[in-house]
Amino acid sequence: EPEVTQTPSHQVTQMGQEVILRCVPISNHLYFYWYRQILGQKVEFLVSFYNNEISEKSEIFDDQFSVERPDGSNFTLKIRSTKLEDSAMYFCASREGGGENTEAFFGQGTRLTVV
Amino acid sequence: KQEVTQIPAALSVPEGENLVLNCSFTDSAIYNLQWFRQDPGKGLTSLLLIQSSQREQTSGRLNASLDKSSGRSTLYIAASQPGDSATYLCAVINNAGNMLTFGGGTRLMVKP
Repeated sequence: EPEVTQTPSHQVTQMGQEVILRCVPISNHLYFYWYRQILGQKVEFLVSFYNNEISEKSEIFDDQFSVERPDGSNFTLKIRSTKLEDSAMYFCASREGGGENTEAFFGQGTRLTVV
Repeated sequence: KQEVTQIPAALSVPEGENLVLNCSFTDSAIYNLQWFRQDPGKGLTSLLLIQSSQREQTSGRLNASLDKSSGRSTLYIAASQPGDSATYLCAVINNAGNMLTFGGGTRLMVKP
C-alpha cells in the first residue's frame, strides 16, 4: 500500500544549526503538508503546498522555515537557524486532490531535538 | 478561527466494552472530518473520513457520525480490544482552506 515516508526518523541538532527534513509523498498526490506536534500538545499546521507553491501557511511558519519540492518525488522542510522551541515531531502529509472525499495520509514523523 | 475539542482527554475501559469518543468544532462550514489513530511516538493513521454531506461512515468495528449543524462528530468503537489502545484524533478541513485543524485527542486504554 502506498505510504508517505519521512527521513530521518530522529534528528538531533545544535541550536542555531540548519536542518532539512525530508518527505516522499504518495506518488500521485498533489497536495503536500507539514505539521508539527510538540510533546503533549496538539498537532499544528505549518504549511500547505500545491502546484509548486505555498497555498497556506500558519503564523508558526515564519522566515526561519521554508519548503521545497526539488524534484518530482521529494518534499522538504528547512529550518534555517533552529531554536530550542523547534523541538517537536514533524509530520509530512499528502492528499490526492482537493475534493472533500480525499483523505490526508501522514508519514511516521521526524523527531527533531534541538540541544 | 476553527477550534476543535475532544472529550474526554483520556478514557480507560475493560476489554469488550463499546465506547464513544467525542469531537466538537466551532465553525460548521467544514469540507470534511477525518479520524486518526496515533500510537505513542508514531505517526497518524487515517481511520475514517466523513464528507460534509455525509452523516456517518463505517469501517469494521468503527463507526463515525457527523452532525455538521451542531458541530459534532462521534467515533463509536464496538467490542473494544487491548490493541485499540492509542490516542484518537479528529481533524476538520474548513471550506475556506485545505489544511486540517486537529483536536487534542482522546487517549484510550483498553484493559485485558
